[in-house]
Amino acid sequence: DTAVSQTPKYLVTQMGNDKSIKCEQNLGHDTMYWYKQDSKKFLKIMFSYNNKELIINETVPNRFSPKSPDKAHLNLHINSLELGDSAVYFCASSQDQKTQYFGPGTRLLVL
Amino acid sequence: GQQVMQIPQYQHVQEGEDFTTYCNSSTTLSNIQWYKQRPGGHPVFLIQLVKSGEVKKQKRLTFQFGEAKKNSSLHITATQTTDVGTYFCAGGGSQGNLIFGKGTKLSVKP
Repeated sequence: DTAVSQTPKYLVTQMGNDKSIKCEQNLGHDTMYWYKQDSKKFLKIMFSYNNKELIINETVPNRFSPKSPDKAHLNLHINSLELGDSAVYFCASSQDQKTQYFGPGTRLLVL
Repeated sequence: GQQVMQIPQYQHVQEGEDFTTYCNSSTTLSNIQWYKQRPGGHPVFLIQLVKSGEVKKQKRLTFQFGEAKKNSSLHITATQTTDVGTYFCAGGGSQGNLIFGKGTKLSVKP
């Protein structure tokens, strides 16, 4: 069984569109994260949720909004996609903010 | 905010050579974690160090945490082509968060 899963794996879309990426973890962890990895492989944290409360919100555009329907899911919604949003987005989870388990990533390409 | 600096950004070695990547923080870290990301893959946890001066080994990999808990290193002895990937350190911050370094991309020439 996959511990942290993301869908879709690949996402190709036009500028200006709205898209969502889904993430689920079956580890029973209490914290989930979203990271953006650019072409230089830099991992930048975007959001984290602990027990459905946002506890870190780095300076990301408000076009990005995390949504957590329950403790096992943290989805990422992106409005009005821009070229610069092209990247790999990783979801991760941890218990008590310790070791993080990453999902396989969603490769987003904005045309 | 808190930052973790990691060097070098890239390292190219001949198979069999050793490799070291270093992480440095301006503030004391509660712990340091290391992750490995294979090309096309996702970061995978390798190890966590918590104690000042701690040294841990995993086969050919040696991890150290500095006495002041502000720096760490990962050393690979006699690299193999399977070691290829990007190695990230991540320091435990004051807010309980994890601060990732920018990673060191290792390539190994057979």
